[in-house]
Order: sequence, then structure tokens, then C-alpha cells
Amino acid sequence: RKEVEQDPGPFNVPEGATVAFNCTYSNSASQSFFWYRQDCRKEPKLLMSVYSSGNEDGRFTAQLNRASQYISLLIRDSKLSDSATYLCAVNMLNSGGSNYKLTFGKGTLLTVNP
Amino acid sequence: GAVVSQHPSRVICKSGTSVKIECRSLDFQATTMFWYRQFPKKSLMLMATSNEGSKATYEQGVEKDKFLINHASLTLSTLTVTSAHPEDSSFYICSAANGIRGNTIYFGEGSWLTVV
Repeated sequence: RKEVEQDPGPFNVPEGATVAFNCTYSNSASQSFFWYRQDCRKEPKLLMSVYSSGNEDGRFTAQLNRASQYISLLIRDSKLSDSATYLCAVNMLNSGGSNYKLTFGKGTLLTVNP
Repeated sequence: GAVVSQHPSRVICKSGTSVKIECRSLDFQATTMFWYRQFPKKSLMLMATSNEGSKATYEQGVEKDKFLINHASLTLSTLTVTSAHPEDSSFYICSAANGIRGNTIYFGEGSWLTVV
């Protein structure tokens, strides 16, 4: 089983739609969770961290379910500028147990159409 | 402004030559840095964890002798792609963590390597 699995997409939605992204992770000892946004040919940029109680930032809502080991991102009232690849990321101990490493899902391409 | 700077942003090299990519943390000391590779339309794949003052930890399947990592100071890690081949052409991205747990991760701008 892959360490982090993400809905493959791609998603094509009209402006104003609500879109959800989901990821599952295999390591129950994972410490922290994030959603990143990556524009074409650019580095990923942190969109938001994901907290156990769930958190919201404007149109974006992130949730974590530790029991089921999945995280989600909901975008409401999507804008054209939301078009990008969204990657979930999980911070977990490396194989040697000496350091934490950030492992990414494959990413889901979102295209918001006018 | 950028807190992690990566250089060069683009490089073209001939097959068989070596290329060095630098990753610098600009306003914090990074005890740990990470090197990723991303092929077109694929996800970021962690190559190795670079630890200041000690050997890097490589992910399974990544050749240590081909991808040399040096983290000689708290603000600089370098990745050298040795004897580069066209299949090494990719987007290489570094990130830096402030502290061992790395809860705050900052990414460099990435380096596009093309081997011809």
C-alpha cells in the first residue's frame, strides 16, 4: 500500500462549484498533515495545514479523520484562479526513525471553467 | 519573499557531465533539508533527507553515488547529479525544515534540469 494515496482526478468544474479532494495515508503514527497547491511548472505552496478538529480558511475547509486515516479538502464557490494541482502531504518518520519526512500524494489537477 | 532559495532555476547539460544544485535557507537555520524530484505530470518523489553535518538518508531506489548530497552548513545543502543522462531530466525541488520535526516546511523555487 502506498504511503499516501490521493484521488487521481482530474476534476473539471464550473465556476462556483464545490469540489472535494481526498487522501488516505498508511502510517497511523503520522504527525501532521497539509494541503499544497502547485501551479504548472512551479514549486508547491502551502495552502493549509490540517488539524484534528478540522479547520477553515475562507472558501477552503480541511478535515482529518485519524481513525480512518484520511484527510480532505473542500473548496466552495470555486474560482478560475483555483485551477491548479492540489497535493496532500503527510509528515511521518522516515524508515530509519531518525527524522520526519513530508510525503506527498500524486496530486489532483483541478480545472475551473468559466 | 522566498525563505528558501534554489539555484540554478534552469540548467542544460551534456550527457555524462555533472550538475550541482544549491538550496539555501535565507533567514533560518535548517538542520534538515529534503530533495524531491518531479517528472512531468507526476507527483513529488522524495529522493533523500539531508542532515547538517551527517550523511544524507536516501529513499529506496535512489542511487547514493549518482545523487550526491552535501549539507555542510546550516543554511546550505547541495545536490550533485553525477554522470547525468537524459532520463535524469526532471524538476528538482528542495525544501528546508526548521527543526528536526519539520512541522514548518519551506520549498525552494525548483530547478529544471535538462540533459541533452
